Amino acid sequence: AQSVTQLDSHVSVSEGTPVLLRCNYSSSYSPSLFWYVQHPNKGLQLLLKYTSAATLVKGINGFEAEFKKSETSFHLTKPSAHMSDAAEYFCVVSVMDSNYQLIWGAGTKLIIKP
Amino acid sequence: GAGVSQTPSNKVTEKGKYVELRCDPISGHTALYWYRQSLGQGPEFLIYFQGTGAADDSGLPNDRFFAVRPEGSVSTLKIQRTERGDSAVYLCASSVRGAVVAGQHYEQYFGPGTRLTVT
Repeated sequence: AQSVTQLDSHVSVSEGTPVLLRCNYSSSYSPSLFWYVQHPNKGLQLLLKYTSAATLVKGINGFEAEFKKSETSFHLTKPSAHMSDAAEYFCVVSVMDSNYQLIWGAGTKLIIKP
Repeated sequence: GAGVSQTPSNKVTEKGKYVELRCDPISGHTALYWYRQSLGQGPEFLIYFQGTGAADDSGLPNDRFFAVRPEGSVSTLKIQRTERGDSAVYLCASSVRGAVVAGQHYEQYFGPGTRLTVT
């Protein structure tokens, strides 16, 4: 069975410093992986997705993630945090043999300090 | 263009009452999804519509929950005899289509959600 674990419930960084949000997955096959962001009182928005093409995936707002099969990880990074990045971030894995079902991590709340 | 909209944004109801939550997907999107999100957790899949029919309702927790999409556009999630445990944010999403083959995921566009509180 597939699963996804976000290793930190909260991450706090200062504005202008790098961001690292960690995600590990478990899957018996090569999955599709996604990162979604949820700003307060707004809908979830897709940041980026990995679907077995390039292992380094670039997304919106300067975020990127690297798929590492040997480590079963898909960590999200950004070189320099901005105040507008404060939000909840979800790592998501596709369900095997499904074209729509997703398994969601519990989320990581990113806090940006001025 | 307009995104996915959900009404109401907040709903407070008493235990045992009936509620309806509405979702307006992006125009032209044939696939529609309902999720439930409890505090501190990721969204939990409830039901998936392809057009007017429910292609997968395996996530509905019990028979008090029902959803319809009679004309293949707007969808209504209906909860009978609400319980305090039903309190959550109910999210709706739509995509251009449900993908044809496994492993092919079309982006799901989410609405802002309806916060349901059962007292």
